Amino acid sequence: AQKITQTQPGMFVQEKEAVTLDCTYDTSDQSYGLFWYKQPSSGEMIFLIYQGSYDEQNATEGRYSLNFQKARKSANLVISASQLGDSAMYFCAMREGRASGTYKYIFGTGTRLKVLA
Amino acid sequence: DAMVIQNPRYQVTQFGKPVTLSCSQTLNHNVMYWYQQKSSQAPKLLFHYYDKDFNNEADTPDNFQSRRPNTSFCFLDIRSPGLGDAAMYLCATSTRDNSYNEQFFGPGTRLTVL
Repeated sequence: AQKITQTQPGMFVQEKEAVTLDCTYDTSDQSYGLFWYKQPSSGEMIFLIYQGSYDEQNATEGRYSLNFQKARKSANLVISASQLGDSAMYFCAMREGRASGTYKYIFGTGTRLKVLA
Repeated sequence: DAMVIQNPRYQVTQFGKPVTLSCSQTLNHNVMYWYQQKSSQAPKLLFHYYDKDFNNEADTPDNFQSRRPNTSFCFLDIRSPGLGDAAMYLCATSTRDNSYNEQFFGPGTRLTVL
């Protein structure tokens, strides 16, 4: 069964330093997508970055990059130059196709990141 | 700006008293999702609509129902809320026309059951 695993319940990072949030996944599908979302205390889920299973290059979006290692089934999020506003819950998610023609998204249990001044 | 709107942001109800949560979108996406998220947990998919086609998750309790009267609106009805239904309820949309097919989330409705 498809599954997302985030093994770090909480992480601390000093402001302006880089941090890596771990994500491993399990799927038998050949075509899938991997996402990272940020959820501040307000509750809204904010899309950060996407990696497709056929993409050969690691995705980057500003200070966010995704370290995609397909053979190891890992999709770690790297945040460079951490800012106080990066303190939030971070979820890794995977998109899988369904017979109905829509997609289902499976979420990991999240990592709570705290950026220290 | 195109967005996903949820009303109310905070809802308090009494044990067993029906409650309806609302979601609307201006993105014109054909897929809408409802998630339940309890404190410090991952969002759990309750059901989703692909246009008017309703797709229920196998483990979604019968106490939860949904309606989608048109493309823009989707409602979550909790017929007899229990204390265990207290959670954040997230609405999301997506479309297969986007290259990433990412989900766009509303701000959520935090439900308290007294």
